[in-house]
Amino acid sequence: GAVVSQHPSWVICKSGTSVKIECRSLDFQATTMFWYRQFPKQSLMLMATSNEGSKATYEQGVEKDKFLINHASLTLSTLTVTSAHPEDSSFYICSASPPLDTIYFGEGSWLTVV
Amino acid sequence: QKEVEQDPGPLSVPEGAIVSLNCTYSNSAFQYFMWYRQYSRKGPELLMYTYSSGNKEDGRFTAQVDKSSKYISLFIRDSQPSDSATYLCAMSVNTNAGKSTFGDGTTLTVKP
Repeated sequence: GAVVSQHPSWVICKSGTSVKIECRSLDFQATTMFWYRQFPKQSLMLMATSNEGSKATYEQGVEKDKFLINHASLTLSTLTVTSAHPEDSSFYICSASPPLDTIYFGEGSWLTVV
Repeated sequence: QKEVEQDPGPLSVPEGAIVSLNCTYSNSAFQYFMWYRQYSRKGPELLMYTYSSGNKEDGRFTAQVDKSSKYISLFIRDSQPSDSATYLCAMSVNTNAGKSTFGDGTTLTVKP
């Protein structure tokens, strides 16, 4: 079945640095991928829609310059958290959907900013 | 008020029990209804996917949608310890499941 892979699974970074999270569709091409954020015991909040070859579409309240999204190929989208701060610590999840199929989520990436 | 409200739990049941998980919603435009299972520190995985009102069964899982009441349920029969997880309901207006609205999740523990 379709698989969406995220890397890294967990990352610790220092406050003020940037960190990149990758989302790959392993056996299908995804023109659109989605990035979510999930705080402990809370639901998934859609952050942005990543569009291959064009700018991402951000949800209201999500800072574009803070959360940079690049979807340079049909199988890879990256989320870069710039100038990370402790409040950015969260579980980040991506998803993608093969054509005419349901959506598949990545395993998620735990970010801890110290 | 949130668009999707999910019974918060946590829920603890003995092995073999029937589990009922529920969500209500306010947006009558929702047409697609999903249930996801999420194990601790993992991404969600799709369990059931239904369109409009009705029932759908898959093994021990049954999803029910009542659009007139804006209410959906997931039933788990013969619950197993491996069913222990957080269950998220999600809904979307169109087939773009990536833009679904999620409930906050119900954490289920099935005790052996």
